[in-house]
Amino acid sequence: GAGVSQSPSNKVTEKGKDVELRCDPISGHTALYWYRQSLGQGLEFLIYFQGNSAPDKSGLPSDRFSAERTGGSVSTLTIQRTQQEDSAVYLCASSLARLEQETQYFGPGTRLLVL
Amino acid sequence: TQLLEQSPQFLSIQEGENLTVYCNSSSVFSSLQWYRQEPGEGPVLLVTVVTGGEVKKLKRLTFQFGDARKDSSLHITAAQPGDTGLYLCAGDEYNFNKFYFGSGTKLNVKP
Repeated sequence: GAGVSQSPSNKVTEKGKDVELRCDPISGHTALYWYRQSLGQGLEFLIYFQGNSAPDKSGLPSDRFSAERTGGSVSTLTIQRTQQEDSAVYLCASSLARLEQETQYFGPGTRLLVL
Repeated sequence: TQLLEQSPQFLSIQEGENLTVYCNSSSVFSSLQWYRQEPGEGPVLLVTVVTGGEVKKLKRLTFQFGDARKDSSLHITAAQPGDTGLYLCAGDEYNFNKFYFGSGTKLNVKP
């Protein structure tokens, strides 16, 4: 596809369940980012991947959050034992490389609601 | 505490008015970017400013990077309803290889 795609677009789950969110970056982009955005707010950095390097996990809010990127392309963000405060829009972005000034292209997001 | 503070948080103006949105930090940034986000969509990059004191114009939008590279402003001239959206500043913190987003400014331009 031409842009970053994310799935599912919406997810409703019960507290305590695990969820998996998927991101397909733009082909050829080596850098991939995950952000979380609460309603009407700015973006909170979660994690980023650059090629095959170990990811920068410094933004993950708790050990219930994990992410992986297989083959340097598709990424999944997993939230275990979801809590109501995990409800947010999870945005994925990719860029050609992890360089200063590099444009990040965002997907439409996954809207997660934890009941 | 946000590394990048934006003000105002909310702005509701009439079509044709001018406005300025501010993005401030106590940290130095290698570059600052401005994004615009519409409901249900991901942010879309408007501009990147790199050099302290730099001014960039994009039609009715003027972006400025502070001399000390700690702040930036976005000025919109003769706002139009199509400018409505959430405006986010974002940047690379100098020497720390971290990327941060501001809290956002929600702009509503009434016809």
